[in-house]
Amino acid sequence: GDSVTQMEGPVTLSEEACLTINCTYTATGYPSLFWYVQYPGEGLQLLLKATKADDKGSNKGFEATYRKETTSFHLEKGSVQVSDSAVYFCALKLTDSWGKLQFGAGTQVVVTP
Amino acid sequence: GAVVSQHPSRVICKSGTSVKIECRSLDFQATTMFWYRQFPKQSLMLMATSNEGSKATYEQGVEKDKFLINHASLTLSTLTVTSAHPEDSSFYICSARDKYEQFFGPGTRLTVL
Repeated sequence: GDSVTQMEGPVTLSEEACLTINCTYTATGYPSLFWYVQYPGEGLQLLLKATKADDKGSNKGFEATYRKETTSFHLEKGSVQVSDSAVYFCALKLTDSWGKLQFGAGTQVVVTP
Repeated sequence: GAVVSQHPSRVICKSGTSVKIECRSLDFQATTMFWYRQFPKQSLMLMATSNEGSKATYEQGVEKDKFLINHASLTLSTLTVTSAHPEDSSFYICSARDKYEQFFGPGTRLTVL
């Protein structure tokens, strides 16, 4: 079945460091791919998305490129801030009619001053 | 972007009581809503898919008689945890889907004593 695998955390970084969170997927067909961010005690917010191969999603300095050949959607940011500390979830939208999302396990990112 | 609200944000109840959680799409009509459960430091687990005017579709392993879902209108879905027990304590998150994507509510923290 469809699944998402993302790197385990926590990932601890200093402010202004580069961040990469790896995400790979297995799916039938051509799913849409998403990154969501969850701040402590809150729900999920859509960070960025890509709907087809080679699409690049970007938002708030974060980027991810839909790589069909490697079935990956790695999240990157060139210079993180303390406010980027959160849990990041990679997800794919299943090709069923309801549009259900399949989430990865989540990666906690801690950015220190 | 579209806004989804949940009420209450936090609830504490005694074992054996029932708790109702509301999920509302505030500025759009949602034909489909989803209910998720999240344990501490874990990913979201889809519990059920709710379509307006029809019975919810539950994921494997989710007790439909324990987690009652009602999607009475295009802007409101409710999750009732019946005869709650301490093991039902969790963070419950709903999402509402418009034509293009899912929007998540802020979550409800349920604690059963």
